[in-house]
Amino acid sequence: GEDVEQSLFLSVREGDSSVINCTYTDSSSTYLYWYKQEPGAGLQLLTYIFSNMDMKQDQRLTVLLNKKDKHLSLRIADTQTGDSAIYFCAETTTRRTGGFKTIFGAGTRLFVKA
Amino acid sequence: DAGVTQSPTHLIKTRGQHVTLRCSPISGHKSVSWYQQVLGQGPQFIFQYYEKEERGRGNFPDRFSARQFPNYSSELNVNALLLGDSALYLCASSFLRREGEQYFGPGTRLTVT
Repeated sequence: GEDVEQSLFLSVREGDSSVINCTYTDSSSTYLYWYKQEPGAGLQLLTYIFSNMDMKQDQRLTVLLNKKDKHLSLRIADTQTGDSAIYFCAETTTRRTGGFKTIFGAGTRLFVKA
Repeated sequence: DAGVTQSPTHLIKTRGQHVTLRCSPISGHKSVSWYQQVLGQGPQFIFQYYEKEERGRGNFPDRFSARQFPNYSSELNVNALLLGDSALYLCASSFLRREGEQYFGPGTRLTVT
């Protein structure tokens, strides 16, 4: 089956690094995503990684993918209070119809303490 | 460039009624997907449309239907509303038929009383 799991909460101090972890079950996943959602808002695409990569860096964000263990992580360097939000991990698989299906985790709520 | 737009922003309906939600994708994007996000949970995939054809469907009852128009905008219809249909309905657009970068709209908050 298809499932994405994340820890529910993470609390860090301003300036520290945050690491949000995610595990997924579908080995045929092609893209893995990290989205950010602030209260009352839609989802903001932060970054994504192809399943044939093991790392991607984008400014303060580093994504690590361990395909063998089906584990994805998002590291936010120098975390700021503005980073406080819910972070969703998601995987996408291709359908037989040629379309795709995206499965989201329940989200990790990041609290940044000043 | 305008992002994904959705209308209405908020909606209150009574059990048993019908609702239509609308989505306009980013210019040039041909794929639209719909998601339901219940409070405190991650988005659940409902449909994906590409070039006006349904390409993917999640585990939702037949009360949920959608369509995509020649200009790639889309409607999500829900019949016989239940209290449990109360949620944020999100639309996402992407350029490709296959997976890739999906960009989300702000959502429509549906409350069923």
